[in-house]
Amino acid sequence: GAGVSQSPSNKVTEKGKDVELRCDPISGHTALYWYRQSLGQGLEFLIYFQGNSAPDKSGLPSDRFSAERTGGSVSTLTIQRTQQEDSAVYLCASSLSGPTTDTQYFGPGTRLTVL
Amino acid sequence: GQQLNQSPQSMFIQEGEDVSMNCTSSSIFNTWLWYKQDPGEGPVLLIALYKAGELTSNGRLTAQFGITRKDSFLNISASIPSDVGIYFCAGRIIQGAQKLVFGQGTRLTINP
Repeated sequence: GAGVSQSPSNKVTEKGKDVELRCDPISGHTALYWYRQSLGQGLEFLIYFQGNSAPDKSGLPSDRFSAERTGGSVSTLTIQRTQQEDSAVYLCASSLSGPTTDTQYFGPGTRLTVL
Repeated sequence: GQQLNQSPQSMFIQEGEDVSMNCTSSSIFNTWLWYKQDPGEGPVLLIALYKAGELTSNGRLTAQFGITRKDSFLNISASIPSDVGIYFCAGRIIQGAQKLVFGQGTRLTINP
């Protein structure tokens, strides 16, 4: 498809389990972003990848959160030992080059529910 | 972290009415963006503003970049049912890592 895709669309897990969320950016987009959207809230920046540069991890809320981007394309966001407060929609976005001027295109998100 | 205060949080209007929402911040921004999010979807960019004082239209939507660089508004004229959704402002601060900061959103409901 032409847009950003994310999988799974929904994930229900038990507290303490690890989860992996996947993002496929638009082909050719070098910048990739992860955001978290809690119920009734705006988007909270988590992490940003730009080409081969070291990622900007300044938004990750704890060391239980990590992300990687393999081959400059697909990205995986991993949450270890999930907690109930991790329940949210996790959105991925990509853009052509970087955050300064480019439009970020968002995927549909993964809704994570931690029981 | 940086915060954007977006208001109102929700609006209930009749079809055909005009809508106005705004965002303010204590920080100076060099870019203001307005997004719309439909249920189950990611946000979609509506309007981007790059200069203080800039007024930009996109169909029935009009947005302005405040002259102080600390605020922006979005107007929707003659609302229609498909305008229902959540509208977010977002901005890039002048100093810092240039990441997008989002407002809390305005949920627009249109009464039939």
